[in-house]
Amino acid sequence: EPEVTQTPSHQVTQMGQEVILRCVPISNHLYFYWYRQILGQKVEFLVSFYNNEISEKSEIFDDQFSVERPDGSNFTLKIRSTKLEDSAMYFCASKGITGNSNQPQHFGDGTRLSIL
Amino acid sequence: SQKIEQNSEALNIQEGKTATLTCNYTNYSPAYLQWYRQDPGRGPVFLLLIRENEKEKRKERLKVTFDTTLKQSLFHITASQPADSATYLCAPTQGNSGYALNFGKGTSLLVTP
Repeated sequence: EPEVTQTPSHQVTQMGQEVILRCVPISNHLYFYWYRQILGQKVEFLVSFYNNEISEKSEIFDDQFSVERPDGSNFTLKIRSTKLEDSAMYFCASKGITGNSNQPQHFGDGTRLSIL
Repeated sequence: SQKIEQNSEALNIQEGKTATLTCNYTNYSPAYLQWYRQDPGRGPVFLLLIRENEKEKRKERLKVTFDTTLKQSLFHITASQPADSATYLCAPTQGNSGYALNFGKGTSLLVTP
């Protein structure tokens, strides 16, 4: 069964540094998402991406964050200047479209981001 | 503001029993509601989706109900097994196919032999 893959599985970065988290969504999917989960808390939506542009973003997704689909397969999340509170598990998800019916989102296993 | 509440306490049940998990929502009119399973250190995995015009949905040992009057969904696992131990997340969702998922905090289920 096709999977969403994320790299790296664990990223350790100094505060203030830039970090890029990478995702390869399922190949025929059209919607892409980033979520984060701070330890012990719920999974929170960050941003959705469709047709090469952001379709929705949450309050968490401020100017420090950006997303990109640089080629036909990768989907990246960049944090420009990391803060201690950015430490979390970051999940990428993707979703296809079949007619008008809603489909589930398929999640990767995440990148654990630790900011020192 | 929109709020999703799931059983905050962990649910411990014996193998073979039925587990029932609750999801309540307020200030929402979801067109459908999804349930996901999350294992420690892993991403959520989709289990079931139920639409607002469906009262009940089944898949193998899983059953979901959706009561839009009570603003509640119940998630049942019958004949539970230790392998069912995980955190279960609900996500009531509004509107069209692009919408982001807004998850509840989840209920931790532990099934003991």
